[in-house]
Amino acid sequence: EADIYQTPRYLVIGTGKKITLECSQTMGHDKMYWYQQDPGMELHLIHYSYGVNSTEKGDLSSESTVSRIRTEHFPLTLESARPSHTSQYLCASSEYRSGVRGYTFGSGTRLTVV
Amino acid sequence: AQTVTQSQPEMSVQEAETVTLSCTYDTSESDYYLFWYKQPPSRQMILVIRQEAYKQQNATENRFSVNFQKAAKSFSLKISDSQLGDAAMYFCAYAYSGGGADGLTFGKGTHLIIQP
Repeated sequence: EADIYQTPRYLVIGTGKKITLECSQTMGHDKMYWYQQDPGMELHLIHYSYGVNSTEKGDLSSESTVSRIRTEHFPLTLESARPSHTSQYLCASSEYRSGVRGYTFGSGTRLTVV
Repeated sequence: AQTVTQSQPEMSVQEAETVTLSCTYDTSESDYYLFWYKQPPSRQMILVIRQEAYKQQNATENRFSVNFQKAAKSFSLKISDSQLGDAAMYFCAYAYSGGGADGLTFGKGTHLIIQP
């Protein structure tokens, strides 16, 4: 059973709305990540964090923003949603030496912007 | 920058038979990890198997095994005795083993179909 939780699981929202996708983990992992999975199923890293008060942009440019005020919490915010933001968003976490036990993923949020 | 390539967008296999999914990668690092993840229709990413680059021995997890060829930068996944529950998207992924938070680099995935 996953120890990383994402809410909501599904979200349909109108263009221009502000949304926050929640991600929380109970494993005490320092590192957390957001991936965007496009309809073609490709996965792209959009944000990551080394720890509290640390956030970095990933390989794929994204209009979203993230924050890391607490170790366990890594929310993603879209100030003004657009249809191009329609995608699956996956949150993940890992220990500092990421490969030792791998990465744990949440169940994802499937976002549709109409 | 590292890249991961999965050249088979889709594979089909009969139930109980063996299938091999291909993956190649490119990196200038010598110490890294490689993973296979499974993503069923539920979209949950599930770790299938991982390999440490410094280990020559191929990783095995029950019916799943890998053929890791470091010099060739190849990392294929073999699924023996395929079961209907193995049907999913399979992603090959790379991670640098040093500190930092570079995250996983994924291939584009292989859609595995199991024929009953």
